[in-house]
Amino acid sequence: DGGITQSPKYLFRKEGQNVTLSCEQNLNHDAMYWYRQDPGQGLRLIYYSQIVNDFQKGDIAEGYSVSREKKESFPLTVTSAQKNPTAFYLCASGNSGTEFFGPGTRLTVL
Amino acid sequence: AQSVTQPDIHITVSEGASLELRCNYSYGATPYLFWYVQSPGQGLQLLLKYFSGDTLVQGIKGFEAEFKRSQSSFNLRKPSVHWSDAAEYFCAVGISGGSNYKLTFGKGTLLTVNP
Repeated sequence: DGGITQSPKYLFRKEGQNVTLSCEQNLNHDAMYWYRQDPGQGLRLIYYSQIVNDFQKGDIAEGYSVSREKKESFPLTVTSAQKNPTAFYLCASGNSGTEFFGPGTRLTVL
Repeated sequence: AQSVTQPDIHITVSEGASLELRCNYSYGATPYLFWYVQSPGQGLQLLLKYFSGDTLVQGIKGFEAEFKRSQSSFNLRKPSVHWSDAAEYFCAVGISGGSNYKLTFGKGTLLTVNP
């Protein structure tokens, strides 16, 4: 099956710990994206990558980091510098201007 | 910078009634336009998109949207709503071309369907 997978679906971490969210796609898409979703805020872009080994900051990149070593994978690390990391995180991939979304990871920092 | 406005935060309709969700964008040229739907705790599913051509586009689940350049709008419509349509709907715009293509999303409209 072709698609976008995010793991885990739920993630709990203690304050001050870094945590890495996984995003994998087998759609052969060049572009991949990370969004953060909070109630009433819509989707806000964290980082995006149009090609392997290259990525750009989105609107709310502070406290996050990414890598794009493989076309299929775009992991997001939420660092201890992120002041309010509890949120729903969505990964997307796309070609030709259309983005397709994974099922999301809900991160709760205790 | 482009922006997207969904004026209605929450809409309630009765099952079988017609539906229109509003979306306005701010951008100098004609962007790519999208509507996505999200069920609670899930990812976003693409309903339809407009890139060029016919300004009335058909999507999945019986939805359609009309691009009106003069009003900078891309409203989503459905003639008869089903209870399963209850979800949150997001309008998005993307700037075509360039190496830094990305989407900008509206804040969403939550649809409640009464039996």
